[in-house]
Amino acid sequence: GAVVSQHPSRVICKSGTSVKIECRSLDFQATTMFWYRQFPKQSLMLMATSNEGSKATYEQGVEKDKFLINHASLTLSTLTVTSAHPEDSSFYICAGGPGETQYFGPGTRLLVL
Amino acid sequence: GENVEQHPSTLSVQEGDSAVIKCTYSDSASNYFPWYKQELGKRPQLIIDIRSNVGEKKDQRIAVTLNKTAKHFSLHITETQPEDSAVYFCAASAARGGADGLTFGKGTHLIIQP
Repeated sequence: GAVVSQHPSRVICKSGTSVKIECRSLDFQATTMFWYRQFPKQSLMLMATSNEGSKATYEQGVEKDKFLINHASLTLSTLTVTSAHPEDSSFYICAGGPGETQYFGPGTRLLVL
Repeated sequence: GENVEQHPSTLSVQEGDSAVIKCTYSDSASNYFPWYKQELGKRPQLIIDIRSNVGEKKDQRIAVTLNKTAKHFSLHITETQPEDSAVYFCAASAARGGADGLTFGKGTHLIIQP
């Protein structure tokens, strides 16, 4: 399968700060990447679709001004959580692949104090 | 939008027995149905997937069946082993020539009793 990396693996930040998460496709070109969020012991929820060279598409209920997505190259998509609050604490995972199959990155565990 | 229901939420089976997890979906436009296995603290790993033009797919001990008319699909694991213990998620999407965002079921915690 395709290889997706993600950085950082975990981050702890103070309330009100911004956090940037990077998602890289290592062995394929990603015109589209997907960002999911997973709360403890829950399922994965699609947050947004990241499109290379154009604006991201956000799912209903996801604030685009709070979760900024940039997809400036075929191998890198970034998610920035702006003005993070404790309720944003979660596991953020990106996914992508060379076709319709999605391979997940290792995820980023965000804890906002 | 799509809604995926998954049952059961927890499944305990004896080692060596079979396990079956069932999912239903609501959107008739969905045409791609992957299954992921997630161990605690790890990323979801694709274990098998099926597309709507196929009714069944098998890979060693794992098989998936799809009934488009009834809008349900199932994961079958035979000869279960302790390492099969994990949370399993079904998902659906309406991929058209490329990837589309996945809608996941709520997951099944599979416990293999030694």
